[in-house]
Amino acid sequence: EPEVTQTPSHQVTQMGQEVILRCVPISNHLYFYWYRQILGQKVEFLVSFYNNEISEKSEIFDDQFSVERPDGSNFTLKIRSTKLEDSAMYFCASGDGRELFFGEGSRLTVL
Amino acid sequence: AQKVTQAQTEISVVEKEDVTLDCVYETRDTTYYLFWYKQPPSGELVFLIRRNSFDEQNEISGRYSWNFQKSTSSFNFTITASQVVDSAVYFCALSEAVGGATNKLIFGTGTLLAVQP
Repeated sequence: EPEVTQTPSHQVTQMGQEVILRCVPISNHLYFYWYRQILGQKVEFLVSFYNNEISEKSEIFDDQFSVERPDGSNFTLKIRSTKLEDSAMYFCASGDGRELFFGEGSRLTVL
Repeated sequence: AQKVTQAQTEISVVEKEDVTLDCVYETRDTTYYLFWYKQPPSGELVFLIRRNSFDEQNEISGRYSWNFQKSTSSFNFTITASQVVDSAVYFCALSEAVGGATNKLIFGTGTLLAVQP
């Protein structure tokens, strides 16, 4: 069964470092998303991406964040200069217009 | 603005009991979608159901059933004869329909279900 894959599963980084989280969506999907879940809290929308551009972003998605689909298959989330409060599980999702399928998440720990 | 409320933070039941997880939503849209996801201790988000706002029929899938009541803006989830493997956090989510397609999901705060043997 097709699935969304995310790498790395866990990354530990120092505050101020750049981090890139990678996602391979399901191949025939057109809608891509990043969500964040701080430990013990709800899942929060960060950004949606459609037709090779950002379609919507939340207040959380500030200038520190960027997304790219560099090669037509990968979908990346970059955090330019990480802060302690960026520590969270980051979920990538892809959708076919009906359902959203989530990856297993990338846990980011900022020290 | 869209909002999803899951008032039950934690529920603990004994195996084989039935349990209902509540979900109340707010939206100004006339067309929207409602979802339930399961997040087991391993952390992934597992899709359970998607419901269209025009379809108020209740749905049953094995031990799972969902009751959608537009009049009370609720989309409750019942697990019949609960099992230890049902222990997880359950999230209700809402999406506006953009051009008929599912848009971003707005999640509730989740309900932690603990099923004791």
